[in-house]
Amino acid sequence: NAGVMQNPRHLVRRRGQEARLRCSPMKGHSHVYWYRQLPEEGLKFMVYLQKENIIDESGMPKERFSAEFPKEGPSILRIQQVVRGDSAAYFCASSLYRGEMNTEAFFGQGTRLTVV
Amino acid sequence: AQSVTQLDSQVPVFEEAPVELRCNYSSSVSVYLFWYVQYPNQGLQLLLKYLSGSTLVKSINGFEAEFNKSQTSFHLRKPSVHISDTAEYFCAVSERGGGNKLTFGTGTQLKVEL
Repeated sequence: NAGVMQNPRHLVRRRGQEARLRCSPMKGHSHVYWYRQLPEEGLKFMVYLQKENIIDESGMPKERFSAEFPKEGPSILRIQQVVRGDSAAYFCASSLYRGEMNTEAFFGQGTRLTVV
Repeated sequence: AQSVTQLDSQVPVFEEAPVELRCNYSSSVSVYLFWYVQYPNQGLQLLLKYLSGSTLVKSINGFEAEFNKSQTSFHLRKPSVHISDTAEYFCAVSERGGGNKLTFGTGTQLKVEL
């Protein structure tokens, strides 16, 4: 059973370009979370998605950032018109969710975005 | 809303010495507590978690953490560290019933030296 797969592992974009980060959750997981880790900082929650639904996007910047998790295929985090401040490691996590009882979130290895 | 404080950004320690990494949290609701470990250029791996029951939880590689509700703490300890324990350690909380949305501390870099 493959873990959470993120690609690409490293992504370099020039200012103003678009960045697309992909996340394939673990088999059977229908909940996906995106986090951003800036240099020397902890991970910050960005967005929580189920299949075809955004559950919580309270951590997403209001502009240029969007996320989706379609019925088929990976979850995509899209950053339009990237700026240097978007340079960070972006981590995806997936989990099962069974109501009140929390379950473990499994993390991917991250995509390291560098904006030049 | 929750917040997590890890006061120590770096902890150097000699091999076979004991170590404690401190974590305090703040929340207006009941939470679950986690410690994650991150090796260089890797993703996060769950080290241990407290959901309910016994306040002392242990990992398979000798780490343990104790939930202290009155002090709102979840400190991580190991009686004897190994070189391979060198990594960044993150404490995190999630709201009970709130899915797996995690709030992380800023991390503690544990450096084990010979």
